[in-house]
Amino acid sequence: NAGVTQTPKFRILKIGQSMTLQCAQDMNHNYMYWYRQDPGMGLKLIYYSVGAGITDKGEVPNGYNVSRSTTEDFPLRLELAAPSQTSVYFCASSSIRTGMTQYFGPGTRLTVL
Amino acid sequence: GQNIDQPTEMTATEGAIVQINCTYQTSGFNGLFWYQQHAGEAPTFLSYNVLDGLEEKGRFSSFLSRSKGYSYLLLKELQMKDSASYLCAVDDYKLSFGAGTTVTVRA
Repeated sequence: NAGVTQTPKFRILKIGQSMTLQCAQDMNHNYMYWYRQDPGMGLKLIYYSVGAGITDKGEVPNGYNVSRSTTEDFPLRLELAAPSQTSVYFCASSSIRTGMTQYFGPGTRLTVL
Repeated sequence: GQNIDQPTEMTATEGAIVQINCTYQTSGFNGLFWYQQHAGEAPTFLSYNVLDGLEEKGRFSSFLSRSKGYSYLLLKELQMKDSASYLCAVDDYKLSFGAGTTVTVRA
């Protein structure tokens, strides 16, 4: 199993550009999450999904969108990038089988200039 | 709302013991996770406490008191590779994370 994979690893955007951060998992987990982590801070939940076709907002959803058309994939869309979105983005997945323990991808380091 | 507090930094010597405290005030509670995060890497699972008491797993132990809103992670026989950030997270169907405690292990 590859676990949770994320692409790209690094990206630099200009203000106002858009991009999609990709996340995929091959563990057949129902639950998937997107977090952002700013320097010296904990992880903040952006969006989460409890299954294909179902998504919901987390703590900091503004400026982001998600979709979940399959169990495996959970892309995060940034529209009109702003410097405040400079952060490290982590995708995670879990299931009832794992006792809801979340398994994290390696992260995407995004800089908006 | 969620309020989760843990110390920002701790320093200890190789071979010593360090205790990282976490206090929480949350609107819901199913359990408490501890994750380890090395610099530049993703968090990895260490422990999950649902019931009050101590859970021991090798050199790492985690304690929970639900009535006091308190948990700690105990790291024994510290090794240099234990230098990392340790994140306390409350499980309320979603995870709410504390800011993390950076532990530095010195020779």
